[in-house]
Amino acid sequence: DQQVKQNSPSLSVQEGRISILNCDYTNSMFDYFLWYKKYPAEGPTFLISISSIKDKNEDGRFTVFLNKSAKHLSLHIVPSQPGDSAVYFCAASATTDGLTFGKGTHLIIQP
Amino acid sequence: DAGVIQSPRHEVTEMGQEVTLRCKPISGHNSLFWYRQTMMRGLELLIYFNNNVPIDDSGMPEDRFSAKMPNASFSTLKIQPSEPRDSAVYFCASTQGRGNLEQYFGPGTRLTVT
Repeated sequence: DQQVKQNSPSLSVQEGRISILNCDYTNSMFDYFLWYKKYPAEGPTFLISISSIKDKNEDGRFTVFLNKSAKHLSLHIVPSQPGDSAVYFCAASATTDGLTFGKGTHLIIQP
Repeated sequence: DAGVIQSPRHEVTEMGQEVTLRCKPISGHNSLFWYRQTMMRGLELLIYFNNNVPIDDSGMPEDRFSAKMPNASFSTLKIQPSEPRDSAVYFCASTQGRGNLEQYFGPGTRLTVT
C-alpha cells in the first residue's frame, strides 16, 4: 500500500516555464516532507523540505507547498532550467528516523 | 568529502549465489540507511542503523537478507541465496545524528540476478 503517491510518472515542461510536481499521502501521522532529486546513475540528493507546521517553504527557484487537509504537497520550480531534468522523489516521515518515498516523477525540460 | 561510497557499482550474479554489497558512510555521520529501488515498489527503506546498532529492520524483505555495521565507517548488506526478484538498485545513505531526515545517498549498486 503506497502511503506516498506521485501519480505522474513523467512531466514535460518548456524551459523558462513553471514546473509543478505533485505528491499525495495517506498517513495522517506524517509530519515532515522532503523532495529529493535524482540524476541517472547517481543517488538521490536532498532538495527542499517542509514541516507540517508550515504551509510553504521557499529556496531560490524551488518552493514546496503543503496542504494538510488535502494531504497534498507540491514542488514548484520557476523558472525551469535544462539542468532541472531529473527524477524527483517526494518523501515523508512520521518519526524521526525513516523516510517513505513516492515512486518519483521524471521531469523533462524542453528547450 | 568523498560522499557516501558504495561498492560494487554493478553486480551480476546467478540465482542461488551469495551477494555482498558494501557501504562507507560520510565521515562523522552516525546514522546509516539501506534502501532498495525497483520499478514496481520505488524506493523502500530496508534497514536503519544508528551508532552502529540496527534500529529498524522491518523493511528487510525476508531472512535471506542481512545487514551489519561492524564499525562507524563500514556496513554490508548480504543476500544469501540470491533470487532474480532481488534484482534492483540498492542505495546506502547516511546522516548526522538521529532525527535528521536530510540524508546523503551513495551512487547505488545495480544488482542483477540471473
